[in-house]
Amino acid sequence: DIVMTQSPDSLTVSLGERATINCKSSQSVFYSSKNKNYLAWYQQKPGQPPKLLIYWASTRESGVPDRFSGSGSGTDFTLTISSLQAEDVALYYCQQYYSPPLTFGQGTRVEIK
Amino acid sequence: QVQLVESGGGVVQPGRSLRLSCAASGFTFSSFGMHWVRQAPGKGLEWVAVLAHDGTNKYYADSVKGRFSISRDNSKNTLYLQMDSLRAEDTAVYYCAKDDEFYWAGYFDSWGQGTLVIVSS
Repeated sequence: DIVMTQSPDSLTVSLGERATINCKSSQSVFYSSKNKNYLAWYQQKPGQPPKLLIYWASTRESGVPDRFSGSGSGTDFTLTISSLQAEDVALYYCQQYYSPPLTFGQGTRVEIK
Repeated sequence: QVQLVESGGGVVQPGRSLRLSCAASGFTFSSFGMHWVRQAPGKGLEWVAVLAHDGTNKYYADSVKGRFSISRDNSKNTLYLQMDSLRAEDTAVYYCAKDDEFYWAGYFDSWGQGTLVIVSS
């Protein structure tokens, strides 16, 4: 199974500042024949289901604010919130879909300083 | 808009069975793979199973293989999860989630609100 490890576990950032979450996979999730990284990011607010933010490592889902961006390739990925807003307080998860079983990182909690 | 509504959760004794349903609307259900994902209280997300659009290609997490069965009825726009031999560690909110492709790409672009399953004597 591919193990996904996020860092940090929690993050406190001032409003308007940048938040950066890292995700590392235990093996590459880059599928060379399709030139794609099989990596997604989700946001989960308390009492709500997760919401897809980013897929293929860097493609923003429709309706997601452009302050959210994804980058990286192979085994190392980053979710960046360029200017943190109050509504961004949530848990964030990365997920690989390179091969089953599909696996998630343990989550990173983002809070306001 | 896409709507996924899970039902069938509740309290069940260890070793017993439960069937979850997910009613889908707002999209062509028969054209997309579908998943179940669960979340134990206060814990992270765990993928459970996936089923291709036509009910063929399916995969399970090792933790549920041989005990859970995913199925769908495209005529009823409904996804199911039959859960047998339930254990305490199966206690979780179970989410139905839509894939973005026919068979499955593997990421979840829409989620239901979830149904809570508690396995306890």
